[in-house]
Amino acid sequence: NAGVMQNPRHLVRRRGQEARLRCSPMKGHSHVYWYRQLPEEGLKFMVYLQKENIIDESGMPKERFSAEFPKEGPSILRIQQVVRGDSAAYFCASSYPGSRAYEQYFGPGTRLTVT
Amino acid sequence: GENVEQHPSTLSVQEGDSAVIKCTYSDSASNYFPWYKQELGKGPQLIIDIRSNVGEKKDQRIAVTLNKTAKHFSLHITETQPEDSAVYFCAASRPPGYSTLTFGKGTMLLVSP
Repeated sequence: NAGVMQNPRHLVRRRGQEARLRCSPMKGHSHVYWYRQLPEEGLKFMVYLQKENIIDESGMPKERFSAEFPKEGPSILRIQQVVRGDSAAYFCASSYPGSRAYEQYFGPGTRLTVT
Repeated sequence: GENVEQHPSTLSVQEGDSAVIKCTYSDSASNYFPWYKQELGKGPQLIIDIRSNVGEKKDQRIAVTLNKTAKHFSLHITETQPEDSAVYFCAASRPPGYSTLTFGKGTMLLVSP
């Protein structure tokens, strides 16, 4: 059973470009979460999605960031007009629906570097 | 919102010693407390978790204890091995939905042979 998959693993963007990060949840999981990890810091929650729905985006910056989880295909975290402060590791996690929704399993992350 | 404090930030032990990492949380409604291990360049791996209806849980060399009254929980690793070296994160979440995990800042554990 493949784990949570993220791509690309490393992404370099110049200031002002767009970054697209992809996440495929584990088989059977229908909940997806995005977290951001800055150097020397813990993970910070950004957004929680189910298929075609954003459930909680309380941790998402109001501007330039968006997320989706379409009916078909991976979840996408999009960062428009990237700035140096966006450089971080972005992790996706997934969980089962229902009573085990609290168990979140993480992917390997995408390390974004903005030059 | 929830705030999770984790100590120590770094911990060095000799192989075979025990290691203890402690976390405190602020939201009394939190009732799910997972621990994650993150190796260099990898994503966090869920290693053990505990819910508030129990005070202790064990899985081989690792155990977690929870004191709801004092709002703190701890990770205990016995008979440490060099492959236990990693960054360990505690986290907390609350119903409904448990969607938001609030993480501590992590403990870098170094086990020397």
